[in-house]
Amino acid sequence: DTAVSQTPKYLVTQMGNDKSIKCEQNLGHDTMYWYKQDSKKFLKIMFSYNNKELIINETVPNRFSPKSPDKAHLNLHINSLELGDSAVYFCASSQVPDTAYNEQFFGPGTRLTVL
Amino acid sequence: DAKTTQPNSMESNEEEPVHLPCNHSTISGTDYIHWYRQLPSQGPEYVIHGLTSNVNNRMASLAIAEDRKSSTLILHRATLRDAAVYYCILRRYSNDYKLSFGAGTTVTVRA
Repeated sequence: DTAVSQTPKYLVTQMGNDKSIKCEQNLGHDTMYWYKQDSKKFLKIMFSYNNKELIINETVPNRFSPKSPDKAHLNLHINSLELGDSAVYFCASSQVPDTAYNEQFFGPGTRLTVL
Repeated sequence: DAKTTQPNSMESNEEEPVHLPCNHSTISGTDYIHWYRQLPSQGPEYVIHGLTSNVNNRMASLAIAEDRKSSTLILHRATLRDAAVYYCILRRYSNDYKLSFGAGTTVTVRA
């Protein structure tokens, strides 16, 4: 059983399009995240949701909108895609309370390429 | 977030130990030291964490200096599967939620 899964694994699209990436976790965690890893391999937090409530929004353009239909799912919708959005996007989850000694579980990543 | 400093890369031979250093001279008393690794084309995975005492688990050991300004992740017998980028991260005991990744150390294991 995959703990944190993402779909699709690869996404190739044209500039200006709107796309979504889906994330599901079967760990029973209440907190979920989206991270972005750019071409230089730096991983940065984008969003965090705790029990469907937005906790962190790290100065991400408002073209990015996370949606959490339930605590097991955190989807990422991106409007008007730009070349600079090309990256690998990772979903993660952790149990509540997400304290300094809890681990986060990451999905396999979605490689987004904007042409 | 308190900053960590790691070497860019390290090489090891298979079945030999690997000692990965991390400096965190501005660590505060409530910062936990976490290590994650990222295998090629995969998401990061948790390795180990500690606060003050040395820690062991099935994957690795974490040795923390007495003044907590540095720590060392120890892979006791490196395998080819241990080739990855290893990240040393400080997490403060607050509702911080996020992991702040640096550049990490790229570990290469030679057969």
